[in-house]
Amino acid sequence: NAGVTQTPKFQVLKTGQSMTLQCAQDMNHNSMYWYRQDPGMGLRLIYYSASEGTTDKGEVPNGYNVSRLNKREFSLRLESAAPSQTSVYFCASGQGAPQTEAFFGQGTRLTVV
Amino acid sequence: KQEVTQIPAALSVPEGENLVLNCSFTDSAIYNLQWFRQDPGKGLTSLLLIQSSQREQTSGRLNASLDKSSGRSTLYIAASQPGDSATYLCAALEYGNKLVFGAGTILRVKS
Repeated sequence: NAGVTQTPKFQVLKTGQSMTLQCAQDMNHNSMYWYRQDPGMGLRLIYYSASEGTTDKGEVPNGYNVSRLNKREFSLRLESAAPSQTSVYFCASGQGAPQTEAFFGQGTRLTVV
Repeated sequence: KQEVTQIPAALSVPEGENLVLNCSFTDSAIYNLQWFRQDPGKGLTSLLLIQSSQREQTSGRLNASLDKSSGRSTLYIAASQPGDSATYLCAALEYGNKLVFGAGTILRVKS
C-alpha cells in the first residue's frame, strides 16, 4: 500500500517552461489536494478536487491548472513557470464528507531559475 | 476567511520536559482539527485528529485538545525526547473539505 505518490521528487525549470506534477493515491479516496509550502508560511491550498470530475480553486491558484484524471490521479500543471513558483509542492488525499484524516505525499521540490 | 496561527514559531527544550504547542483559528465553524508532524525534507505525518464534537484525543505521549468556542487547540507532548524534534503543524477542516494550515512550530529537543 503506497498511499500518496508524487512524481518527480525534484525538478529544476527555467522561467517560462512548463511541466506537470503527478499525484496518485491508492486508498480509494474521493478528495485530493495540491498545496505549496514556503518557508515560514505553512501550507497554502492551490486547488482541490472533492470528487472525480470536480475541481475548485484554493487560496493561491494563479499560474496553475489541475486535472482530476480519474479517482486515483490528480495532476498540477505549470504552464509558464516563474521564479515565484519555486516551492515544495504537496499532494494529499482524504475520504468522507466531512473528511476525516488527510494523507500526504512526500513532496516535489521545484526550483524555477 | 479562516486564519490559523501557531505559537510559538520555534521552541527548544531539554530532553524529558513536558511541553505545549498552541494553535488558534478565527472561524469556529470547523468540522475537525488535525495535528501533523513534518521532518526536514519529508512529507506530513498525521498525529491526531479531533472531531468538532470532541474535546481531546490521546496517542501515547501526545494529547491534543480542542475548544471550538474559543478557537483554540493545544498539543501536549509528555516527557519529550530528541526524536520528537520536528515541525508540528495544525490544520482546521472547514466547509467543502478544505484544510487550512498554520505556519507550524519548529521543535528542538536537546539531549
